[in-house]
Amino acid sequence: DVKVTQSSRYLVKRTGEKVFLECVQDMDHENMFWYRQDPGLGLRLIYFSYDVKMKEKGDIPEGYSVSREKKERFSLILESASTNQTSMYLCASSPGGNTEAFFGQGTRLTVV
Amino acid sequence: RKEVEQDPGPFNVPEGATVAFNCTYSNSASQSFFWYRQDCRKEPKLLMSVYSSGNEDGRFTAQLNRASQYISLLIRDSKLSDSATYLCVVNMNSGNTPLVFGKGTRLSVIA
Repeated sequence: DVKVTQSSRYLVKRTGEKVFLECVQDMDHENMFWYRQDPGLGLRLIYFSYDVKMKEKGDIPEGYSVSREKKERFSLILESASTNQTSMYLCASSPGGNTEAFFGQGTRLTVV
Repeated sequence: RKEVEQDPGPFNVPEGATVAFNCTYSNSASQSFFWYRQDCRKEPKLLMSVYSSGNEDGRFTAQLNRASQYISLLIRDSKLSDSATYLCVVNMNSGNTPLVFGKGTRLSVIA
């Protein structure tokens, strides 16, 4: 089975902190994604990567950056956390092409 | 026009009922289609892929209508355990492009 693992289920951070969300997949997938999910807004794409050291902006990249130094790991960075970044963050991976994506268990981030 | 649209519901149905969800997508060049299920406070999980010829998996049937650009999901003989949010998902292009998710349709199956 594909396994996508996010480093934390729940996280509480203070406004202005730098926050790292880590995601690791074990199926040698080419593509990795970061989404955030908010009530009434659905899943919104923040960034994605289709190769090591490659990254593409999604629909809402402002306030975020990403890093993909190794194929299996895709990190989301909040440079200076703000309260409007309180959300559920979901990492996903896919082999590429017209295939489905597999999700990690999600990180519920609260910024206070 | 939003890329993938779904009726948000909620759909409240009794056990044993048949319920259908529809979803429309904006890009006629879309290549692949899926239904995901998401339980409360959990991650989305693939329920089934949707093929041009339609496909069935037990009580679940998915249909694709390319001419009208909509996808449907039919659940027969609803169970309490079917209560969840159902997400319509579309790959708008071929190759390495992200999936586009609808906002989901909530289903509550009531005893």
